[in-house]
Amino acid sequence: DSGVTQTPKHLITATGQRVTLRCSPRSGDLSVYWYQQSLDQGLQFLIQYYNGEERAKGNILERFSAQQFPDLHSELNLSSLELGDSALYFCASSVRGGGASSGANVLTFGAGSRLTVL
Amino acid sequence: AQKITQTQPGMFVQEKEAVTLDCTYDTSDPSYGLFWYKQPSSGEMIFLIYQGSYDQQNATEGRYSLNFQKARKSANLVISASQLGDSAMYFCAMNYGGATNKLIFGTGTLLAVQP
Repeated sequence: DSGVTQTPKHLITATGQRVTLRCSPRSGDLSVYWYQQSLDQGLQFLIQYYNGEERAKGNILERFSAQQFPDLHSELNLSSLELGDSALYFCASSVRGGGASSGANVLTFGAGSRLTVL
Repeated sequence: AQKITQTQPGMFVQEKEAVTLDCTYDTSDPSYGLFWYKQPSSGEMIFLIYQGSYDQQNATEGRYSLNFQKARKSANLVISASQLGDSAMYFCAMNYGGATNKLIFGTGTLLAVQP
């Protein structure tokens, strides 16, 4: 158990629907990251939050949104789902959110949420 | 722009032998970190080892060591005494100093350990 909790583990839904993925970071970690892993795109960075504020944005579609709450858990909302959104979505957390690289920058990943859009 | 390259899509190794997984990187930032993660067939991403750009010595964690050659911009992972449980996808990743701590990943190397 990495200490990063993601729910649900598996999700099957239909095109056009909306889903919410939830992440609880490891205790003491202030930064949360969302990644998408698909066969054709590999591991893609979506978005990073640090202590409730957006820190960096990557290849995140406008149909997707995220937030980090005061208790530091995070949610990733995916709407108007398309077949191509089927992927493994990872949440990760770290103690630090930036600055000079050190061991405190290590990202700890959750087990992932596997989304299948039919 | 920062980039990670893993040129070996797949590799085989005999059980108990050592194996080296290649990783090269490209960055102009002086402060950066290099990471290796393991992804078994179950899907989770497991952190293996970290090397900072200013670290003088190569990182080691049990059977894992990182062969860091700064001038060549390479960060190869060495797994000693391979075990059947080492069969997995291995990803090299990099972050760099600045306001964000996001990692960029290579395309991965699929390692198969044979008995």
